[in-house]
Amino acid sequence: EAGVAQSPRYKIIEKRQSVAFWCNPISGHATLYWYQQILGQGPKLLIQFQNNGVVDDSQLPKDRFSAERLKGVDSTLKIQPAKLEDSAVYLCASSYKWDRGFEKLFFGSGTQLSVL
Amino acid sequence: AQTVTQSQPEMSVQEAETVTLSCTYDTSESDYYLFWYKQPPSRQMILVIRQEAYKQQNATENRFSVNFQKAAKSFSLKISDSQLGDAAMYFCAYSPRRNAGNMLTFGGGTRLMVKP
Repeated sequence: EAGVAQSPRYKIIEKRQSVAFWCNPISGHATLYWYQQILGQGPKLLIQFQNNGVVDDSQLPKDRFSAERLKGVDSTLKIQPAKLEDSAVYLCASSYKWDRGFEKLFFGSGTQLSVL
Repeated sequence: AQTVTQSQPEMSVQEAETVTLSCTYDTSESDYYLFWYKQPPSRQMILVIRQEAYKQQNATENRFSVNFQKAAKSFSLKISDSQLGDAAMYFCAYSPRRNAGNMLTFGGGTRLMVKP
C-alpha cells in the first residue's frame, strides 16, 4: 500500500515570496491534515479536511496561509507572502477508521521550508 | 485547552538496555487517547503505541510499553532491549476520544540516542 505522498521534499525561498506544497493521501482516506512542525517542537495542526470540506482551521493563519482539497483527494497548502517564522517542516497526514471508532493517522515525510 | 509536556529534551541508552521517556499532560476531559509517536530522520511520524484512558491496563507493543497514571496525568514510554533503530525523536500526544482520536496535541519531543 502506497503511503502519504508529499512534494517537494525541500524548498528554499526569500521572505515575501509565495510557496505551495502538495499532498496525496492514502487511497480511500477521507480525512486529510496539514501540520506545521517548527524546529525543536512537536507538530501543530493547521487544518483538517473531511473529504473536500474543512473540519477545523482554527490554527491556520488565514491572512497568509490557504489550503484546498479539490475533489476530496489531494491537497495543496499555500503560503503568500512567506515570513521568516514560517520556516518549518510541513507534514501532511491522512486517516482511516482503524478499530472501535479510533481513527489512525498516517503521515507523509513532509516538506522542509526555509525562508531566508 | 490541552497541553502535553515532555521534560527530557534528550535521552541516551546503551544498546540492549532499557530506557523510559516521560510525558505529562493536562486536560479536563475524562475520556481520551494518549499516544507515543516516533519520528526518525526521514521525518515521517510513526505510531508506536496507543493508550485508551478508560482502560486501567497499560498498553504494550512488543518491546514498547507504557506506564499510564491517570490521576497524576502521567504517561511514560518504556523501551526494552533498545536497538540502534530505536534512535529517533519521540513525541507524546493526546486526543479527546470524542474526535475518534484524530485531534492530536503533541509534546515538544525527546531525542533518543542509542549507543552501540
